[in-house]
Amino acid sequence: QVQLVQSESELKKPGASVKVSCKASGYTFSNYAVTWVRQAPGQGLEWMGWINTNTGNPTYAQGFTGQFVFSLDTSVSTAYLQFSSLKAEDTAVYYCARGKGLCSEYNCYPEYWGQGTLVTVSS
Amino acid sequence: QAVLTQPSSLSASPGASASLTCTLRSDINVDTYRIYWYQQKPGSPPQYLLRYKSDSDKQQGSGVPSRFSGSKDASANAGILFISGLQSEDEADYYCMIWHNSAVVFGGGTKLTVL
Repeated sequence: QVQLVQSESELKKPGASVKVSCKASGYTFSNYAVTWVRQAPGQGLEWMGWINTNTGNPTYAQGFTGQFVFSLDTSVSTAYLQFSSLKAEDTAVYYCARGKGLCSEYNCYPEYWGQGTLVTVSS
Repeated sequence: QAVLTQPSSLSASPGASASLTCTLRSDINVDTYRIYWYQQKPGSPPQYLLRYKSDSDKQQGSGVPSRFSGSKDASANAGILFISGLQSEDEADYYCMIWHNSAVVFGGGTKLTVL
């Protein structure tokens, strides 16, 4: 069955960097995009963008350019979200998710989700 | 104005039905969009429920009960998630989503209370 297993929670100081992993299993990794979604405490869902698992090409949503980097290690079917210069407002749960294929109008909706990784930024 | 607007909360009684609305910004036409719905319970990731564009273009998520269904109200430019025979386990946050301008857009979510 399709599974996305994310790395454990992180506690970081302001200005630090963090790398969240998302290991996929149960399907052919390169056939489906990985998308990233942020959820701040008590808030709604924000789509951060997606990465083409065939080419490694990332696409960032508005508001998520510059600070965030999507990457892959296809040898272990794992996607990564890295971000730096952490601020208190980056405190959130970060989810990876898999769509129906490589992102397009009818394929990009998140169908399977990881369990989420809580990143807490505090001094 | 937000692309998708959802009421922040809704309450209903067990056994009753609930209609959760997702209103599209006035410059975009609900008829042209697939509307996706997600359920999220505290401490858990969202779960995909269903998508609805029309009666001929709809899909139920795997294992999702038929008590959950989608529709549209064209006059209100809105997508609707209808839940019949409400159960206590349906208490959750519900999010709508569309694909707009080559991006995923989520609504702000509706907290459904079953009491």
